[in-house]
Amino acid sequence: GEEVAQTPKHLVRGEGQKAKLYCAPIKGHSYVFWYQQVLKNEFKFLISFQNENVFDETGMPKERFSAKCLPNSPCSLEIQATKLEDSAVYFCASSQLGTRGASYNEQFFGPGTRLTVL
Amino acid sequence: AQKITQTQPGMFVQEKEAVTLDCTYDTSDPSYGLFWYKQPSSGEMIFLIYQGSYDQQNATEGRYSLNFQKARKSANLVISASQLGDSAMYFCAMREKRVSGGYNKLIFGAGTRLAVHP
Repeated sequence: GEEVAQTPKHLVRGEGQKAKLYCAPIKGHSYVFWYQQVLKNEFKFLISFQNENVFDETGMPKERFSAKCLPNSPCSLEIQATKLEDSAVYFCASSQLGTRGASYNEQFFGPGTRLTVL
Repeated sequence: AQKITQTQPGMFVQEKEAVTLDCTYDTSDPSYGLFWYKQPSSGEMIFLIYQGSYDQQNATEGRYSLNFQKARKSANLVISASQLGDSAMYFCAMREKRVSGGYNKLIFGAGTRLAVHP
């Protein structure tokens, strides 16, 4: 598709429950990024993929967070045993190799998934 | 370490006037890109403008222009002829080129909330 799609739009979980978020990048884009936005301000990078390979996972809280990008499937971000502080909007962004220069390569953002942990 | 600083938590401007949103950055990499995104109250992230570290001219996109001062490490966004629909959060972001190839994550500033008054 021409837009990054994220599902669900809203997700409510009780503390300790599992949450799974999905992202379909723009067709042809080889990079996928996950960001967490807390309180409409701070963006925190979580993980990125180049095709199905993890590219950078320096932002992932590895104890409870995991992510995958498998061929012919939406990418997913899973949180085991959610905590109150996981309440946030989770954005997925995709990009392709740019032609304008080494640092260009705009990231196209999806609409986000709002996760509320009660 | 990379860092983006937006020192104005909130700004207001009269409709039809110009406004400048400040952004300073810190990086030791000579190759990087600077981005501005708009986030309206509906939550989506809208790409506005990009400036590459090697670009000779300041970027412009319609009513948006970027005042890029490399020696000062600043990349201020200028919105000319403000409209009511410009009321939103504005985020400055930076990405460094990865030495080993590929595209790094975006590092975001804390954002500036712009209110356009009629």
